[in-house]
Amino acid sequence: GAVVSQHPSWVICKSGTSVKIECRSLDFQATTMFWYRQFPKQSLMLMATSNEGSKATYEQGVEKDKFLINHASLTLSTLTVTSAHPEDSSFYICSARPGDISLNQPQHFGDGTRLSIL
Amino acid sequence: GESVGLHLPTLSVQEGDNSIINCAYSNSASDYFIWYKQESGKGPQFIIDIRSNMDKRQGQRVTVLLNKTVKHLSLQIAATQPGDSAVYFCAGGLPGSSYKLIFGSGTRLLVRP
Repeated sequence: GAVVSQHPSWVICKSGTSVKIECRSLDFQATTMFWYRQFPKQSLMLMATSNEGSKATYEQGVEKDKFLINHASLTLSTLTVTSAHPEDSSFYICSARPGDISLNQPQHFGDGTRLSIL
Repeated sequence: GESVGLHLPTLSVQEGDNSIINCAYSNSASDYFIWYKQESGKGPQFIIDIRSNMDKRQGQRVTVLLNKTVKHLSLQIAATQPGDSAVYFCAGGLPGSSYKLIFGSGTRLLVRP
């Protein structure tokens, strides 16, 4: 149980293109999902918290207009990297947590999306 | 400040030996801790968690120890196997509206045959 699917797993696109990444909880509902960014040989950096039916909460230093997050249903959150540039190239990972957000439960992660901007 | 860090970036162990991976945290507000395993090109995989009202929790071949006095936790892996080779992250949960996790810098575990 608690499977999170992320799509696509790998994308290469030209500079200036917008790229959408999907994160789905397959066997549970998630009112809260999280988006992380990971550089090579580094840890996960939380970018934003995606809340179903409301605006995402962004971490300090993360551009809201650059990284658009939509959480339209209890099983789907999307991250759109707008007008992507080479410095946006990274490994983007989403996670979701089943159950009540007030409870301490582990986040379950997708397998990430490797984004390469040429 | 908020931080969860690790003492050693790389740990090399002989197959069959026990592994101990350490983690230090600085935020006393963290009341929940998780260990994740990440293999190359994949997302983190949940291993074990522990709440701050506990000091030890055991799973299959893994044990997590929490010392709140010195803000330290460790992950012990018994009889380490080649498949255990990966990067291990600890993460601390912060109480709040979303209980977000703060990840440590990670330790790479290498298992020698």
